[in-house]
Amino acid sequence: GENVGLHLPTLSVQEGDNSIINCAYSNSASDYFIWYKQESGKGPQFIIDIRSNMDKRQGQRVTVLLNKTVKHLSLQIAATQPGDSAVYFCAPNAGGTSYGKLTFGQGTILTVHP
Amino acid sequence: NAGVTQTPKFQVLKTGQSMTLQCAQDMNHNSMYWYRQDPGMGLRLIYYSASEGTTDKGEVPNGYNVSRLNKREFSLRLESAAPSQTSVYFCASSVDLGETQYFGPGTRLLVL
Repeated sequence: GENVGLHLPTLSVQEGDNSIINCAYSNSASDYFIWYKQESGKGPQFIIDIRSNMDKRQGQRVTVLLNKTVKHLSLQIAATQPGDSAVYFCAPNAGGTSYGKLTFGQGTILTVHP
Repeated sequence: NAGVTQTPKFQVLKTGQSMTLQCAQDMNHNSMYWYRQDPGMGLRLIYYSASEGTTDKGEVPNGYNVSRLNKREFSLRLESAAPSQTSVYFCASSVDLGETQYFGPGTRLLVL
């Protein structure tokens, strides 16, 4: 099955710093990747996505980079704010017979200190 | 739009009791999903429905049943609850299978 891992289970930053959250995946058939943010007591919230035909996508204060060669994603958050404190999940959308199913790793806990 | 709604928000059951978790979406999505999330873990797929009238097993279907009542509603039933089913349950929906999934607020279930 899919193995989705995160290099840093916890990340602590100061307000205003840039944050980088990393994610490794193992299924080379994955062709769509989603980043979710989950605040305490809430459901996962869509942040940004990227398809395998792209290597970079930018949103508001967030950028996702995809390196298919090494099966690695990163989520960059610019000027991190206390409201960004949450658990962040990357979720590859597996291809092949598992098409349409998302695989979630454990998540990275981001803590932003004022 | 309310997005994805779930009821109840919290439930306590005794071992062996049954209950149904309700989920509804108002985004006209074709696909719907049920996940469970245990402490310190990612979400695991229980069942999903690619479109109205179809349901399929996910990663952890044992002990659960689902019903896609119509395009809007997708329910999850526990026929005989066990302590191992203590978890937070999330419903999600997407335009179609393989597209971005949008999640509800979750149902917190405690089985004693």
